Amino acid sequence: KQEVTQIPAALSVPEGENLVLNCSFTDSAIYNLQWFRQDPGKGLTSLLLIQSSQREQTSGRLNASLDKSSGRSTLYIAASQPGDSATYLCAPGGSGGSNYKLTFGKGTLLTVNP
Amino acid sequence: DVKVTQSSRYLVKRTGEKVFLECVQDMDHENMFWYRQDPGLGLRLIYFSYDVKMKEKGDIPEGYSVSREKKERFSLILESASTNQTSMYLCASSSIKDTSLETQYFGPGTRLLVL
Repeated sequence: KQEVTQIPAALSVPEGENLVLNCSFTDSAIYNLQWFRQDPGKGLTSLLLIQSSQREQTSGRLNASLDKSSGRSTLYIAASQPGDSATYLCAPGGSGGSNYKLTFGKGTLLTVNP
Repeated sequence: DVKVTQSSRYLVKRTGEKVFLECVQDMDHENMFWYRQDPGLGLRLIYFSYDVKMKEKGDIPEGYSVSREKKERFSLILESASTNQTSMYLCASSSIKDTSLETQYFGPGTRLLVL
């Protein structure tokens, strides 16, 4: 059974700082990995999707990397802004033979202080 | 833009009531999902559907059933609501036609309180 760990559980940084969120997973036989953002009381917004054959994906100030063999992914946020404050969730997909099933970590709560 | 809508943002029901949560997506996605999200436990998959009338159990299907009569609509049914089903319920959808479109798109969530 896939298990996903996100470290740290919470992070508070001043505006403008670059930061890294970590995700590890136990079953490396994944199909893809997604990073999501969730604002309080809201649904999830997809940030980046990395296919298992890819090493990284970039979108604006966000860069996600994937090392499938070691069961790790990182989300890099450059020049953080207060609007980046949210919970970030990592979700590897496709373990256990189901290529569309995601397993979620518990998330990293990010606070960016002005 | 993909849009996933859920019928209610907030819902209050009594123990033993039958509860229907509705989800609609407008992007002709094949896959639809129901999750629940609880503090300290994260998101857990209840059921998913990969086609009309097709469904598979997720990690926590007990106490729930689902219905998918039309491609765009996926319903979660609590046959007899219990207090331990108080939670945030999230619906999602995704496409299987193109691997680059496998992103799951989520609705805004329904916060259900069972008294």
